[in-house]
Amino acid sequence: GNSVTQMEGPVTLSEEAFLTINCTYTATGYPSLFWYVQYPGEGLQLLLKATKADDKGSNKGFEATYRKETTSFHLEKGSVQVSDSAVYFCALHINTGTASKLTFGTGTRLQVTL
Amino acid sequence: GAGVSQSPSNKVTEKGKDVELRCDPISGHTALYWYRQSLGQGLEFLIYFQGNSAPDKSGLPSDRFSAERTGGSVSTLTIQRTQQEDSAVYLCASSRTRTGGVNIQYFGPGTRLTVL
Repeated sequence: GNSVTQMEGPVTLSEEAFLTINCTYTATGYPSLFWYVQYPGEGLQLLLKATKADDKGSNKGFEATYRKETTSFHLEKGSVQVSDSAVYFCALHINTGTASKLTFGTGTRLQVTL
Repeated sequence: GAGVSQSPSNKVTEKGKDVELRCDPISGHTALYWYRQSLGQGLEFLIYFQGNSAPDKSGLPSDRFSAERTGGSVSTLTIQRTQQEDSAVYLCASSRTRTGGVNIQYFGPGTRLTVL
């Protein structure tokens, strides 16, 4: 079956530090990959996506590259801000027509301090 | 435009009671999904609708859970004889259906269900 593995949190960083959140996946087929973010008290929002190997998704200073050879989609940001404090979910999606669902990792909580 | 809406935002019920959770998808989105977010299990898929049909119900945890969608729009998730382990945030998402493309799922704010 399909699965996503994310690094355990919480991750605590000082403002302006470099962020990496690791994500690897197992999939039968060729998935699209996503990072969703959940800010405190808010719903899930799409942060970025990539649909094929070597694609780089980017948004709000965050980036992730679809690496088929290592089945990874690590999230990075060069300089985090306090406002980036949230829970980050890596997810994959394969649409087979009868099945169309996101498979999520367990989420990684990021706490950024001044 | 309006996003995915869900009601109620919070629901507290007693063990053994039935509950109904409602989802109103983004207009024009033919696909609708229910997920559950709980502390122990993370984010779990429950059911997927394409129009009014549910080709994938594989995530429904027991026959106490059912869902329907009418008019290709609003969906209702029903939990019968609620148990304490049903306590979770129930999330609804919707997407367009595009052959050969990426169907981005947009999530609602969720319904927090507490079973006492």
